[in-house]
Amino acid sequence: GQNIDQPTEMTATEGAIVQINCTYQTSGFNGLFWYQQHAGEAPTFLSYNVLDGLEEKGRFSSFLSRSKGYSYLLLKELQMKDSASYLCAGSYGNNRLAFGKGNQVVVIP
Amino acid sequence: DAGITQSPRYKITETGRQVTLMCHQTWSHSYMFWYRQDLGHGLRLIYYSAAADITDKGEVPDGYVVSRSKTENFPLTLESATRSQTSVYFCASSGAGRRTYNEQFFGPGTRLTVL
Repeated sequence: GQNIDQPTEMTATEGAIVQINCTYQTSGFNGLFWYQQHAGEAPTFLSYNVLDGLEEKGRFSSFLSRSKGYSYLLLKELQMKDSASYLCAGSYGNNRLAFGKGNQVVVIP
Repeated sequence: DAGITQSPRYKITETGRQVTLMCHQTWSHSYMFWYRQDLGHGLRLIYYSAAADITDKGEVPDGYVVSRSKTENFPLTLESATRSQTSVYFCASSGAGRRTYNEQFFGPGTRLTVL
């Protein structure tokens, strides 16, 4: 399968900025999704990148470099409700996604 | 109700029993997917379907069977449950239109325990 790599856990303070990195296999790659998953809940869609560059959506931004097989999700002005697992997923055709293991973000006061 | 639903939400069964997990979506999405989520592995694709009567294997299909006779339903059957199939199972669906992307929408999940 396609290897999607993410770090596993990070802790940050309320109001801070956090960057979550993701690397993926470039062969057959179409685009990169980011999902948020709160404990005990289903993943929910955050963003999609298909072109190189930064996509900004309120407090969340996502970056893609197709040549480097690299993406990051930037969370700004962290809030307690942002404590969740963040999943990156590569799209490789036929609407299939290959998910990373997720990065657990813990926000502390 | 609109959306994607799964049933049951929780299930406890015994080794060797057959179990069927149900998934229903009301968006008429072409694509449907079954994932399992385990600690240390993330979401892994079991089976997917591009349309009614079209199904294909994902990353971890062994021990599972799917069918899709209607667009809105995509049941997953464990033919003879094993302890290693204890997991949280998520169903998802996505469209296949002319949008730039088609994100997957996930159901609430089924927590399955095999004793």
